Amino acid sequence: GAVVSQHPSRVICKSGTSVKIECRSLDFQATTMFWYRQFPKQSLMLMATSNEGSKATYEQGVEKDKFLINHASLTLSTLTVTSAHPEDSSFYICSARVPSGVGNEQFFGPGTRLTVL
Amino acid sequence: DAKTTQPPSMDCAEGRAANLPCNHSTISGNEYVYWYRQIHSQGPQYIIHGLKNNETNEMASLIITEDRKSSTLILPHATLRDTAVYYCIVPSENQGGKLIFGQGTELSVKP
Repeated sequence: GAVVSQHPSRVICKSGTSVKIECRSLDFQATTMFWYRQFPKQSLMLMATSNEGSKATYEQGVEKDKFLINHASLTLSTLTVTSAHPEDSSFYICSARVPSGVGNEQFFGPGTRLTVL
Repeated sequence: DAKTTQPPSMDCAEGRAANLPCNHSTISGNEYVYWYRQIHSQGPQYIIHGLKNNETNEMASLIITEDRKSSTLILPHATLRDTAVYYCIVPSENQGGKLIFGQGTELSVKP
C-alpha cells in the first residue's frame, strides 16, 4: 500500500514554543491530506483537511490560528502548533487520500507524539 | 457520516476467526462501508471497504447484509498481532472524503 511518513515521531517542547510536524506521501501525490489528534484512550478527532494549493478547512472548534496547516506541494503537508501549551500534548496523525482509490481510502502516517512541558 | 454502532470490546482466541459487527442502519444508497484498525500507538491502517457485495482481500473479508444496514468484518485466522481497535466508518458523500472515527471495537486476541 501507499506510504505516508511523519516527522518527527516524538517531540518534547517547552510551553510557549511552536512545533512543526511534517507529513509526506512517499510514493504517491496527495492533493488532500487530513490532520487528526488523539488523546489517551480516546478515538481520533479530525482537526482539518489540507488541500494542496489552497487554505485548509478546519473542523468546528479547532483554532486555525493555533494550528497552522500548509500544503505547499503534492507530497507534503505541515502542521504547526503555535505557542504550545500542556493541553496541546497529544498524538497527532496525518493521512493522505489515495488519488486512485475509491472516495475515502486513506493511508495514515505513524503519528507524532507531542509533549509540552 | 452515517452513524455506526460497534461493540466496545471483543475477545478472540488465536487462530480462530474474529467476527466484528457494525450497525449502520442510516446508510444511504451510495455510501461505502470502510474498515480501519489502529494498533496501539500507531497510525490507523486501512483494511477493506465495500458498497453492496461482499469483499475479500489479503487481510480480511467484509460481509454486508442485503439491506446494507449492518456489516461484519472477518479476520479468518486471528493472530496476536491483530490485537487493535477496529473502526467501522461510513463517510457521507458530501463530506469531501473525511473519515469521522467513532469509538470502535477493541479486539483482544488471546493465546
